[in-house]
Amino acid sequence: DAGVTQSPTHLIKTRGQQVTLRCSPKSGHDTVSWYQQALGQGPQFIFQYYEEEERQRGNFPDRFSGHQFPNYSSELNVNALLLGDSALYLCASSLTQITAGTGVYNEQFFGPGTRLTVL
Amino acid sequence: QKEVEQDPGPLSVPEGAIVSLNCTYSNSAFQYFMWYRQYSRKGPELLMYTYSSGNKEDGRFTAQVDKSSKYISLFIRDSQPSDSATYLCAMSLFSGGYNKLIFGAGTRLAVHP
Repeated sequence: DAGVTQSPTHLIKTRGQQVTLRCSPKSGHDTVSWYQQALGQGPQFIFQYYEEEERQRGNFPDRFSGHQFPNYSSELNVNALLLGDSALYLCASSLTQITAGTGVYNEQFFGPGTRLTVL
Repeated sequence: QKEVEQDPGPLSVPEGAIVSLNCTYSNSAFQYFMWYRQYSRKGPELLMYTYSSGNKEDGRFTAQVDKSSKYISLFIRDSQPSDSATYLCAMSLFSGGYNKLIFGAGTRLAVHP
């Protein structure tokens, strides 16, 4: 099992440009979440996709958008890049199961991330 | 005020020491409490999780949750140089498959021989 894969590993863009990051979830997983991790900070939730729809969204502007494909892979798009968008972008995959209150934790498995530098 | 507070360190200890890592939180609705480990240039990997209050032990690692104080801890016994990493606490309202994780800032740990 390849686990969660992300591409590219890292890239450099200039302010105002647009970027697309890609994620392939772990085999058997149907849910993809995206997180932004600034240097020296913990990951911050951007949004989550399930059944090709955005199910939850964190406190990020509309410049951040995403997509999930029928094979469960996902893309994160960021428009009009700002210097402050420089960060490690992490994709996490999981399996949605109705286990609320049972104590079972459906682990979110993280990929290695894409390091984005905006100049 | 952040929902989850974690001292970023860095924390430097000698090999064999007992390490104590802590987080506090403000949302009393959190049910799942996780500890992730992140090596440099890698994504976070789950170490342990606890549901609701109590203790959980896994080898050299012990996780504690005190919901009355809104305080969680991770203890590492007999620390090894390979434990050198950033440790992130994370919390969610219910099962991680269907909910966002709220992370602390992470504590950088260095275990020196």
